[in-house]
Amino acid sequence: AQSVTQPDIHITVSEGASLELRCNYSYGATPYLFWYVQSPGQGLQLLLKYFSGDTLVQGIKGFEAEFKRSQSSFNLRKPSVHWSDAAEYFCAVGGLRRAGNMLTFGGGTRLMVKP
Amino acid sequence: DTGVSQNPRHKITKRGQNVTFRCDPISEHNRLYWYRQTLGQGPEFLTYFQNEAQLEKSRLLSDRFSAERPKGSFSTLEIQRTEQGDSAMYLCASSSRGRGSAEAFFGQGTRLTVV
Repeated sequence: AQSVTQPDIHITVSEGASLELRCNYSYGATPYLFWYVQSPGQGLQLLLKYFSGDTLVQGIKGFEAEFKRSQSSFNLRKPSVHWSDAAEYFCAVGGLRRAGNMLTFGGGTRLMVKP
Repeated sequence: DTGVSQNPRHKITKRGQNVTFRCDPISEHNRLYWYRQTLGQGPEFLTYFQNEAQLEKSRLLSDRFSAERPKGSFSTLEIQRTEQGDSAMYLCASSSRGRGSAEAFFGQGTRLTVV
């Protein structure tokens, strides 16, 4: 069975500081990996995705993530955080199978940004 | 707006009542997913449609839940005899054919409160 672990429930960083959100996954085949962001009371917005190829992927809003197969990780990074980045971040794993691309999500990491 | 649209955005209902939510996917997307998100958790998969066919249902989808997608366009999710444990955000997502099917676009969700 596939699963996703986000070890950090809450993270607080100062505006302008760098950010890394951790994600570990378990999946029986080559995974498709995603990071989504959710503002309070809103749906999910896709930040970036990894299907294959270059293990460092660039996304929107200055985010990037690195796929490390040996560590089963897909950590999200941003070199300089803005106050507007405060939100909940979800890592997800999926793959093409009978159930289309059913996603399994981690529990999320809530990011708070200090001025 | 060409994104995924969900209605209503909020629903408050008394325990035991039936409720129905609607999802309008992106028009060219043939795959549609329903997820449920409880407070402080990541979304959990409920069910998946390819065109009008419901191809997979999670065991989270009890007998009180039913989903339809007539004509492969919009979808409805009905909950009968609601219980307080049904209180959650219900998210709809859609994706296209082929490799694009791996990328799901989410609506803003319907927040259900059962009192």
